[in-house]
Amino acid sequence: DTEVTQTPKHLVMGMTNKKSLKCEQHMGHRAMYWYKQKAKKPPELMFVYSYEKLSINESVPSRFSPECPNSSLLNLHLHALQPEDSALYLCASSQGGGAGHRDTQYFGPGTRLTVL
Amino acid sequence: QKEVEQDPGPLSVPEGAIVSLNCTYSNSAFQYFMWYRQYSRKGPELLMYTYSSGNKEDGRFTAQVDKSSKYISLFIRDSQPSDSATYLCAMSGNTGKLIFGQGTTLQVKP
Repeated sequence: DTEVTQTPKHLVMGMTNKKSLKCEQHMGHRAMYWYKQKAKKPPELMFVYSYEKLSINESVPSRFSPECPNSSLLNLHLHALQPEDSALYLCASSQGGGAGHRDTQYFGPGTRLTVL
Repeated sequence: QKEVEQDPGPLSVPEGAIVSLNCTYSNSAFQYFMWYRQYSRKGPELLMYTYSSGNKEDGRFTAQVDKSSKYISLFIRDSQPSDSATYLCAMSGNTGKLIFGQGTTLQVKP
């Protein structure tokens, strides 16, 4: 089973709202990722958690706040977003946090976020 | 110059055709090469994974890596309308960080 689940599937929020995106995997993977994808563009890496610790932050604005409560769960807390933050937010996981076959990334279906 | 170059297409072929998708790259440290398929408004789905140079076949899909030319390919035999999607190449070195191509949009017409 290579399933990564994400909720909600769709989210519409105003610029003053606070919301959270959730990601879950039960493959025993120890690395989890957040990506942002705009239309007709490839995914852009935002954050990497390796063994539940934040290992990469790609200079993402502080209005995006990641959290890894345990090895199966990854959250992305959103606050005071801008309309240009509207995108597909993808979660991915891999067995390890380095390189190699163990680190092949498996993606979830994404949350489509619209900021009004 | 981007680290990974991929022609965005769109590429339109008739059903049953052989499709060739390609990426070139500049970073000789890349060792791990992947192809993802992404349907509209869905997450990327891993199709093929290859380590270093060589060929790998899985059903109608064949992935080729030529590290000497810094060139990777994905071939789809007997293409079907259900293959219509965006195909993303991705690669990584020792950091584990994936570098994606721009994606090629493929349409297979019945």
